[in-house]
Amino acid sequence: NAGVTQTPKFQVLKTGQSMTLQCAQDMNHNSMYWYRQDPGMGLRLIYYSASEGTTDKGEVPNGYNVSRLNKREFSLRLESAAPSQTSVYFCASSATPGGAGTEAFFGQGTRLTVV
Amino acid sequence: AQSVTQLGSHVSVSEGALVLLRCNYSSSVPPYLFWYVQYPNQGLQLLLKYTTGATLVKGINGFEAEFKKSETSFHLTKPSAHMSDAAEYFCAVMEYSSASKIIFGSGTRLSIRP
Repeated sequence: NAGVTQTPKFQVLKTGQSMTLQCAQDMNHNSMYWYRQDPGMGLRLIYYSASEGTTDKGEVPNGYNVSRLNKREFSLRLESAAPSQTSVYFCASSATPGGAGTEAFFGQGTRLTVV
Repeated sequence: AQSVTQLGSHVSVSEGALVLLRCNYSSSVPPYLFWYVQYPNQGLQLLLKYTTGATLVKGINGFEAEFKKSETSFHLTKPSAHMSDAAEYFCAVMEYSSASKIIFGSGTRLSIRP
């Protein structure tokens, strides 16, 4: 049972380069999330998708775009990477479209360094 | 808008001592509350959650938390710390609404002294 799978696990980018982080879940969950984790700041929500076909901004959306490709997949794109986007990125999914209170299940993270 | 405040970025206790990690939330509607644990270089794992019903919630590894609406708190406790409890702990809140947004606190690193 794979759960939430993120690729790649590690990535180094040069300033200005673009890349897409991939995330897929096999739990038939409705909601999916992208977070970034920085020391002392916990996890901050970048974007989320409450259900297939919808996406919404989180706390720190600037510099990112997302695509909910289908129910399973939710990708995060950096169009022009900046050193401030150096972080660990986590994808998560949950069963609820809203209100059921179920928890999020997390992937193992992508460690991104922008030089 | 919902938010979470975790008091104390670092807590250190002796092995066998009580663990208390504090979490206060802000929400305009009744929230769902979660505690997660993260071990080094790993993803997040759910410890426990409060949705409705009993306000004292028991989780894995001997942890429990109590939802106190009047204090807008959801503190995490464990009666006796073990060396294996050393990790980072995150409190999170989801509002009961049409959106499924989950907001996390800044985390508390728990260290255990032998």
